[in-house]
Amino acid sequence: IAGITQAPTSQILAAGRRMTLRCTQDMRHNAMYWYRQDLGLGLRLIHYSNTAGTTGKGEVPDGYSVSRANTDDFPLTLASAVPSQTSVYFCASSEGGGAAYNEQFFGPGTRLTVL
Amino acid sequence: GQNIDQPTEMTATEGAIVQINCTYQTSGFNGLFWYQQHAGEAPTFLSYNVLDGLEEKGRFSSFLSRSKGYSYLLLKELQMKDSASYLCAVMDSNYQLIWGAGTKLIIKP
Repeated sequence: IAGITQAPTSQILAAGRRMTLRCTQDMRHNAMYWYRQDLGLGLRLIHYSNTAGTTGKGEVPDGYSVSRANTDDFPLTLASAVPSQTSVYFCASSEGGGAAYNEQFFGPGTRLTVL
Repeated sequence: GQNIDQPTEMTATEGAIVQINCTYQTSGFNGLFWYQQHAGEAPTFLSYNVLDGLEEKGRFSSFLSRSKGYSYLLLKELQMKDSASYLCAVMDSNYQLIWGAGTKLIIKP
C-alpha cells in the first residue's frame, strides 16, 4: 500500500441499506477526514479524526458515522442510505497536530449511487 | 458564515498565462491552499500561503492578500495537461479546511 486506499471504487446501493466505505492509510498520519464532493459544490467535510480513538463532526455529519480504532483505518458508515447521499466520497489524511501547514493527501474516491 | 468564491469555469490557450482568483470570508485564517483535481481523480496539493505575497513553484505561482481576503493561482506556459479543476481552500481557526467549489480550467490548442 502506498498512500491512501479506498474501497469500493464504486457502488450502487438500494435506499435503506447499510453501507461501509473503507479507508486505509500507510503514512502514519494522525488526522483523517471524510469528504463528499457534489457537482457545483466544494468538498464538504462529513467527519474527521485528529488522532486514533477520537472523532468529530464536520459540516454535514447527519446520516453518517465513523470510527477510528487505530491509526491506519477510518471507515465511514451509512446506517440507512438515502438518495441524497449519492455522491463521490473522498478520504484524506494529514500529519495533524494542529499545525497550520497541514497538507491533506487524498484517496482515489468512492462513487456511491443510492437508488 | 464561511464562504469561498472562485469562478466556475475559465478557458485559456495552450502556451498562455491564466490567473484563477479566490476570495474568502472565514472564521479565522491559518493559511490558504490550492489543489488541482483532474476529472475523475483525487485532489492533489499545489501550494500553500500563510503570509502575504507571492509563492513561486515552477510554472505555478500563488499570491495571498490577507487584508483583502484574496488569493490567486497563476499558471504560466499552459499545457494541455493543465486542464483540470483548481480548488481553493482556507484553513479556519479550528484547523479545518473550507473549500471553494473549484474552477474548471479548459485549455484549448
